[in-house]
Amino acid sequence: EDKVVQSPLSLVVHEGDTVTLNCSYEVTNFRSLLWYKQEKKAPTFLFMLTSSGIEKKSGRLSSILDKKELFSILNITATQTGDSAVYLCAVEAYSGAGSYQLTFGKGTKLSVIP
Amino acid sequence: DVKVTQSSRYLVKRTGEKVFLECVQDMDHENMFWYRQDPGLGLRLIYFSYDVKMKEKGDIPEGYSVSREKKERFSLILESASTNQTSMYLCASSLGGSLRETQYFGPGTRLLVL
Repeated sequence: EDKVVQSPLSLVVHEGDTVTLNCSYEVTNFRSLLWYKQEKKAPTFLFMLTSSGIEKKSGRLSSILDKKELFSILNITATQTGDSAVYLCAVEAYSGAGSYQLTFGKGTKLSVIP
Repeated sequence: DVKVTQSSRYLVKRTGEKVFLECVQDMDHENMFWYRQDPGLGLRLIYFSYDVKMKEKGDIPEGYSVSREKKERFSLILESASTNQTSMYLCASSLGGSLRETQYFGPGTRLLVL
């Protein structure tokens, strides 16, 4: 059974801190790893990672994938209160006949205090 | 441990058929959600429910309806399936109160409409 584990489950930091969120996975036929930010009703897409070692960056957020060690990290520098949210990691895996499955981790709840 | 189950992993239907997707959660969660996930578009919210018999439209409700007769069960209905509804459908639930609570996702249903 495919498995995605995020750590820590929750985190409280002060504004300006840098945080690193972890996502490890065990899947068969890996296709991609996705990061989402969930603060309202629906999670917002952040990154899709398919290749090892290539950092994706968007403002203060960045992410990298290690397909050998089967994990990804999401970094947020100079955190702001608006970064408070649950960050979800999901892994897509091929499941045959051109289709794929998506497995979500339980999320990391980040709270940024002023 | 929260468990969210979906009635089918894979479904193949014909254009014009009525389709029922069922989702069940076992943790007495108040909120339940239906999303679809398409390549390059991330997760898009179709409908959500914050209580039995209560529902609200998400971002893309057209062509879908929902039913929540019991707290643990949230059904997504495609009244007349169309090919552009071929997608991965994900159900999620969260504890209640705030919509910022962590959402727990089911394994997904891959629907193909021919």
